[in-house]
Amino acid sequence: EVRLLESGGGLVQPGGSLRLSCVGSGFTFTSFAINWVRQAPGKGLEWVAAVSGSGDGTYYADSLKGRFTVSRDNSKNTLHLQMNSLRVEDTALYYCAKTLRQCKGSSCSYFSLDALDIWGQGTMVTVSS
Amino acid sequence: EIVLTQSPGALSLSPGERVTLSCRASQSVPNSQLVWYQQKPGQPPRLLIYGASTRATGIPDRFSGSGSGTDFILTITRLEPEDFAMYYCQQFGRSLTFGGGTKVEIK
Repeated sequence: EVRLLESGGGLVQPGGSLRLSCVGSGFTFTSFAINWVRQAPGKGLEWVAAVSGSGDGTYYADSLKGRFTVSRDNSKNTLHLQMNSLRVEDTALYYCAKTLRQCKGSSCSYFSLDALDIWGQGTMVTVSS
Repeated sequence: EIVLTQSPGALSLSPGERVTLSCRASQSVPNSQLVWYQQKPGQPPRLLIYGASTRATGIPDRFSGSGSGTDFILTITRLEPEDFAMYYCQQFGRSLTFGGGTKVEIK
């Protein structure tokens, strides 16, 4: 079974940092880009970031650049989202999701944006004093 | 950034009815890069349609997608009780953005 499992959420004060993790199983991890998408309570979906299969290509929502960093450790089938300078408005359920299509060869360095076919259950981040 | 505007924001319907949901893009989106999801409370989104009109694995044929350019439609021909949910469109032509969603409620 193809699965993604997020962890690392919690309560953090404004200005603080948090590192989320996403572990994939049941598929060839290096062949798929992974995206982070968040959803504030009662709100819609907001794309956060993406990382290519190789980890060489990283992409961010313009509003988040400079504060969030995405990376992956393919030896552990794990993805990370480092979140710094957190704000109250970053409070949300953070999902990781894999791309529908797999990358091949050199495209694994940059291919990152696609339909998202498998999603984790999410990890909740609350930024509050 | 391409902005996706979904309409209506919400609608109330009865099982068995036909529903059409709209997703309008601020710039032209290649058909291959337009996606639809369904989300139920407490669950992650579920991929319904990709490439504007291709059903994802396991999606019943009462769901269909159409459109091109800046105007896309998700149609559910006969609403089943399990179809009452939020629906989101998404594009990945330029960066990746989601529409604001349409809530389909039981009348």
